[in-house]
Amino acid sequence: QAVLTQPSSLSASPGASASLTCTLGNGISVATYRIYWYRQKPGSPPQYVMRYKSESDKQLGSGVPSRFSGSKDGSANAGILLISGLQSEDEADYYCMIWQDSVSVFGGGTKLTVL
Amino acid sequence: QVHLQASGPGLVKPSQTLSLTCTVSGGSISNNGYYWNWIRQHPGKGLEWIGNIYYSGTTYYNPSLKSRVTISIDTSKNQFSLDLSSVTAADTAVYYCASCPGYSSLFDSWGQGALVTVSS
Repeated sequence: QAVLTQPSSLSASPGASASLTCTLGNGISVATYRIYWYRQKPGSPPQYVMRYKSESDKQLGSGVPSRFSGSKDGSANAGILLISGLQSEDEADYYCMIWQDSVSVFGGGTKLTVL
Repeated sequence: QVHLQASGPGLVKPSQTLSLTCTVSGGSISNNGYYWNWIRQHPGKGLEWIGNIYYSGTTYYNPSLKSRVTISIDTSKNQFSLDLSSVTAADTAVYYCASCPGYSSLFDSWGQGALVTVSS
């Protein structure tokens, strides 16, 4: 069972909202972890989007618009990246990441298509 | 934020050692509190963290690669390096170097990536 599971793809319309999930497996609890989100466009390295652990422990990356926000769903044991007011420029691959015992673990990534 | 640039051979033969160097500019690699990372991405696939090194030389490795990986640092040259031994075609990937301040634990600066192909 993978540590971090992400849907491989997600499509949404311009102006709509997209909820990208990152489900934690292997018996680890989402409540324990800061979830980091990265965005990658074709031909470019990933770029930090934000991190979220709780409402009192969250940070948006430099230059990232406030349309991006984080949350958690404890019942689903998942971290969530919510993008509201989708724009064509938001189309990219999105990766979640955690630190587990000084080891970085990435999810498989979600390809977000805005159409 | 610092600028990072990975360099090294683009083609490595199977069973040989893949060696890459990341040159850091715009800041000192001896910056207290920074971890220097290697991350790779197989063609069309997701990200895989390889490992990191602190300026003091302390290293952490991905358990799945630990037996084949060595990360080292040369503070005099402001560089850190990756050696991956006994490579196979499965090690063909774009290799990124990235910085990570310990206080935030996020990868805040990334190099452009170096494509390494393992083929005879």
